Amino acid sequence: GAVVSQHPSRVICKSGTSVKIECRSLDFQATTMFWYRQFPKQSLMLMATSNEGSKATYEQGVEKDKFLINHASLTLSTLTVTSAHPEDSSFYICSAPGTNEKLFFGSGTQLSVL
Amino acid sequence: QKEVEQDPGPLSVPEGAIVSLNCTYSNSAFQYFMWYRQYSRKGPELLMYTYSSGNKEDGRFTAQVDKSSKYISLFIRDSQPSDSATYLCAMNEDSSYKLIFGSGTRLLVRP
Repeated sequence: GAVVSQHPSRVICKSGTSVKIECRSLDFQATTMFWYRQFPKQSLMLMATSNEGSKATYEQGVEKDKFLINHASLTLSTLTVTSAHPEDSSFYICSAPGTNEKLFFGSGTQLSVL
Repeated sequence: QKEVEQDPGPLSVPEGAIVSLNCTYSNSAFQYFMWYRQYSRKGPELLMYTYSSGNKEDGRFTAQVDKSSKYISLFIRDSQPSDSATYLCAMNEDSSYKLIFGSGTRLLVRP
């Protein structure tokens, strides 16, 4: 199956700093990628859809100025959590559709904001 | 009411048991149904993908979809300790990839 690489797997930062998370499709091109957030023992919640070469589409209630998404190439999307606060601590996961129209996920990033 | 309901468990079974995991949903327009396995602090891994009603089998896994009842199931035969994980159902109306996930059922297979 298709491989989606996400980095870093874990990050701890101080409140007020910004954190960048990278998501790469390793053996295929992805014009669209998706960013999810998952709180403990809860389901994945779609935050935004990242579109290569154009603006991301954000789900209702997600602050676009806080969660900056850049999809500059067909294999890379980045999510930057700006001015992170403790309530932003969560598990962030990216995904991309493979050539067989199935959705493949990265390994996730655990963000802890102190 | 959530669009997709899934019992959070945990479900604890002995090794070798047959496991039944289920989800119910409210949106009759859902046509694509998926089961993902997620180990702790890892990304979900696609296990089964089905379209519309019916059964699909892959090794020890069988997925069933009953659209008339808005009910989907995942069966795991000869369960192994390595099957211990959280199982998420997911579905959507079309192939737009905007999946709606259940909250996940945590499965523990005891050696």
